[in-house]
Amino acid sequence: QSALTQPRSVSGSPGQSVTISCTGTSSDVGHYIFVSWFQQPPGKAPKLIIYDVSQRPSGVPDRFSGSKSGNTASLTISGLQAEDEADYYCCSYAGNYIWVFGGGTKVTVL
Amino acid sequence: QVQLVESGGTVVPPGGSLRLSCATSGFTFSSYGLHWVRQAPGKGLEWVAFVRYDGDNKFYADSVKGRFTISRDNSKGTLYLQMDSLRLEDTAVYYCAKDQFRLDYWGQGTLVAVSS
Repeated sequence: QSALTQPRSVSGSPGQSVTISCTGTSSDVGHYIFVSWFQQPPGKAPKLIIYDVSQRPSGVPDRFSGSKSGNTASLTISGLQAEDEADYYCCSYAGNYIWVFGGGTKVTVL
Repeated sequence: QVQLVESGGTVVPPGGSLRLSCATSGFTFSSYGLHWVRQAPGKGLEWVAFVRYDGDNKFYADSVKGRFTISRDNSKGTLYLQMDSLRLEDTAVYYCAKDQFRLDYWGQGTLVAVSS
């Protein structure tokens, strides 16, 4: 049950795009479509923004997109806005009813 | 609308026990698997436990296996986490989350502080 690997922080100016990587193994990210991304503003609960690698829940702006290649999933925020400043976590199903989270990435809007 | 509300968090000494509750509304409780996820102060999210929709199958992270018990009451729409033999490292905000694979709705969390 090792945590998925995410960069500690990424930053960008308003309007730019940023991409957050989430690296796992062939037993979790590389094996299942059940990869989700969560946004957590300071002091608040996590909010689902991407599920099944690339699907957006209703109400999530299309500026948020997800993808996967091999053992690495990615979240891209296009047209970065001040309100996007938050911590972002990936999560993958790892089989046998076990789930694993990434360590989290702090997104800073310059 | 879907709501999940955790309660039961408090200060407890090492070795103590505590039961958390997660009251839900706005969806068909008995149709969904549910998770507990925790977040230590200043740290990331850690998956803790999952129970299937029928309550018959329960699964745990290695860090809590044998000490924590997840359960649910489908007649009350409520999820529980019984926490025994608590350790300092169990100090965290505990969240409940709905849906086996999406974790699409979360509660606001309840703080458990293990301290002497």
